[in-house]
Amino acid sequence: GAVVSQHPSRVICKSGTSVKIECRSLDFQATTMFWYRQFPKKSLMLMATSNEGSKATYEQGVEKDKFLINHASLTLSTLTVTSAHPEDSSFYICSARLAGGPNTQYFGPGTRLTVL
Amino acid sequence: LAKTTQPISMDSYEGQEVNITCSHNNIATNDYITWYQQFPSQGPRFIIQGYKTKVTNEVASLFIPADRKSSTLSLPRVSLSDTAVYYCLVAPPGNTGNQFYFGTGTSLTVIP
Repeated sequence: GAVVSQHPSRVICKSGTSVKIECRSLDFQATTMFWYRQFPKKSLMLMATSNEGSKATYEQGVEKDKFLINHASLTLSTLTVTSAHPEDSSFYICSARLAGGPNTQYFGPGTRLTVL
Repeated sequence: LAKTTQPISMDSYEGQEVNITCSHNNIATNDYITWYQQFPSQGPRFIIQGYKTKVTNEVASLFIPADRKSSTLSLPRVSLSDTAVYYCLVAPPGNTGNQFYFGTGTSLTVIP
């Protein structure tokens, strides 16, 4: 149980295009999902908290107009990188939180974004 | 949110028990301690979670002293496939917010 999927697993795009990444909780409902990015050999950096049916909360320094987050259902959150540039190339990881009890997050497998 | 401190890296031979300690001096009364394992180019995988004393599951044990200012993840008889980065996080329970802020993690290398 507690499986989270991401799609696509890898994407290569041209500079200036937009890319959408999907995060799904497959066997549980997640009122809260989180988006992280990770650079090579570095730790995960929290970008934003996504709550179902409401606006995402962005961490300081993360541009909300650059990284659009939508959490339209209890099992799906999407991250859209708008007008991507080479510096947006990174590993993007989502997680979904089990409601109630200890704060347990289950992570997706990640999406490797390469912007040419 | 409690800040955590872990050793940057550790080496161990196959078959040995490995103990990774995490310091969290500012842990709050209702914070839980959670450990994750991450392989390159994969999302973190949940290993174990606890609040106090000792927790054991099929892959690891978690030891938490009475003051809860630190915790130790114990991996019994490691194999080469246990080579990964291990993260310790603390956060309170609840249904909203309660973000995870990852520290540097511990890069464990298992040597044949």
